[in-house]
Amino acid sequence: AQSVTQLGSHVSVSEGALVLLRCNYSSSVPPYLFWYVQYPNQGLQLLLKYTTGATLVKGINGFEAEFKKSETSFHLTKPSAHMSDAAEYFCACSGGYQKVTFGIGTKLQVIP
Amino acid sequence: DGGITQSPKYLFRKEGQNVTLSCEQNLNHDAMYWYRQDPGQGLRLIYYSQIVNDFQKGDIAEGYSVSREKKESFPLTVTSAQKNPTAFYLCASTKGELLDEQYFGPGTRLTVT
Repeated sequence: AQSVTQLGSHVSVSEGALVLLRCNYSSSVPPYLFWYVQYPNQGLQLLLKYTTGATLVKGINGFEAEFKKSETSFHLTKPSAHMSDAAEYFCACSGGYQKVTFGIGTKLQVIP
Repeated sequence: DGGITQSPKYLFRKEGQNVTLSCEQNLNHDAMYWYRQDPGQGLRLIYYSQIVNDFQKGDIAEGYSVSREKKESFPLTVTSAQKNPTAFYLCASTKGELLDEQYFGPGTRLTVT
């Protein structure tokens, strides 16, 4: 079985500040990890994904995430928040024959 | 442009009525999924289909039914047996592997009164 935990259902940052959204996973097999973004009343869009290889993954809109096996973490970061980053972010995990499991989401508020 | 379409965007029904949500994709993807999204609960899998004429129950299939007669179409029926049908419904697809990234439609917001 696999699971995904996103710490903090709501995160607020000032415009220009560092964005850090936390994700921890549990998987009995090597995981594939994803971050998706959702704007209000829209579907989800892939930000980035980790499958194998380089543990630091760069995505769209200046986001990146680092896979840390020892910490079972895949935290999402962005050096400088922009107002347009305000959205809900979902971490997801899949592996082996397991279908993807999503976290409960983190709503990011950007304060001007 | 390739993508997933869901219609309608907003849907209103009276309690006791069945309702069918449409999902169409022109990405030539093999696998399709239906999720339900409620505030604070993330995405929960209702049904998924990896090939035509075959589908499997997800975590919350009770009160829902699906069909997969064509590769590009995966309609979801919310039946009167679903106790709390009001929610945001998302359709997604992947090329075929369960490990692949998912492509999502814009969603349908269903309100049942």
